[in-house]
Amino acid sequence: GEDVEQSLFLSVREGDSSVINCTYTDSSSTYLYWYKQEPGAGLQLLTYIFSNMDMKQDQRLTVLLNKKDKHLSLRIADTQTGDSAIYFCAEGLNSGGYQKVTFGTGTKLQVIP
Amino acid sequence: EPEVTQTPSHQVTQMGQEVILRCVPISNHLYFYWYRQILGQKVEFLVSFYNNEISEKSEIFDDQFSVERPDGSNFTLKIRSTKLEDSAMYFCASSVQEDQPQHFGDGTRLSIL
Repeated sequence: GEDVEQSLFLSVREGDSSVINCTYTDSSSTYLYWYKQEPGAGLQLLTYIFSNMDMKQDQRLTVLLNKKDKHLSLRIADTQTGDSAIYFCAEGLNSGGYQKVTFGTGTKLQVIP
Repeated sequence: EPEVTQTPSHQVTQMGQEVILRCVPISNHLYFYWYRQILGQKVEFLVSFYNNEISEKSEIFDDQFSVERPDGSNFTLKIRSTKLEDSAMYFCASSVQEDQPQHFGDGTRLSIL
């Protein structure tokens, strides 16, 4: 079945770049997602990449997709204290009339001032 | 930017009682979903809903659970006889088409006593 793996914790200094990595198992995924969850809040769709792309840049965020290795990464440039949150990688698989989204365990990003 | 809204933000219920969690999806979205996140665990898919019927449900979504779209704007999740293990954060999501990204609400924290 589908499985998404992430490291649990990442600590960076303010102003540095953060790179959060993710691996997934299903090569027929349609979309790969990054969601952000701040303490006590919901899941904010941060960015996503279609499976036939290998890179997407959106302001400070860069998503890299290596489909051969089933590896997805999220790079946050110039990381700020407001970026401290849990970041969930997720894969979307179209399945008979709906998109099944499978989430990773989340990576807790701690930004040190 | 349009949002998925969920009410209440926190629900405390006695074991065995019925609970209804409410969601207002984004207005032009046609596909609706419920997920749950038990504390410290992954976000898990519960059910997807389209055209007034369930399109897919997970093994978690047993006979105690039901979903309904009672009018043109609300989407509800009912748990008939709550158990302690139903305590979790419940997220509603919606998407404009089945193969488009899902947007999540802030969640309802359900605490069963």
